[in-house]
Amino acid sequence: DSGVTQTPKHLITATGQRVTLRCSPRSGDLSVYWYQQSLDQGLQFLIQYYNGEERAKGNILERFSAQQFPDLHSELNLSSLELGDSALYFCASSVGPAQPQHFGDGTRLSIL
Amino acid sequence: QQPVQSPQAVILREGEDAVINCSSSKALYSVHWYRQKHGEAPVFLMILLKGGEQKGHEKISASFNEKKQQSSLYLTASQLSYSGTYFCGTTGGGNKLTFGTGTQLKVEL
Repeated sequence: DSGVTQTPKHLITATGQRVTLRCSPRSGDLSVYWYQQSLDQGLQFLIQYYNGEERAKGNILERFSAQQFPDLHSELNLSSLELGDSALYFCASSVGPAQPQHFGDGTRLSIL
Repeated sequence: QQPVQSPQAVILREGEDAVINCSSSKALYSVHWYRQKHGEAPVFLMILLKGGEQKGHEKISASFNEKKQQSSLYLTASQLSYSGTYFCGTTGGGNKLTFGTGTQLKVEL
């Protein structure tokens, strides 16, 4: 158990819809990272927050947005969903930059 | 740019050793190594920082050649539990961790 909690575990929805993925970091971790992993693909970095502020951005689509709240939990919002958005979305947390990242179990998003 | 890992896949017999390489085209500040089993979350193995600092599990060893922008992960006396996909991730000094495409490792009896 990494201590990082992601909900929901599975999400099935239709094209054009909007979903919210939630992540609670390990106790004491201030950094939260979001990654996308498509079938048989590597981990694509989306975005990072540190103590509520956005610190780094990867190849995140404009249809996607995220935020980190004062209690340090984070949400990833995906809108106008397309079939290609089907993937496993991981959240990870760490004490700070350049520190080990601990991954949650992921949310599997399926777009029908 | 995405770091390049080699080999893409390797099959070992239990007890054999393996080396997984990670190479980047740009200057690196840190290299991270993770192992992911099918359907599971990546698990942290080791982090190597510019300047020589390392953090990781005792049974895992790795090297970081800052001049060549390369890192290698050494797996010795492999066990069945070592099977999985190994990812290296690199940072260039910022917060963005860019992962390689992975190396699939299978350990057989």
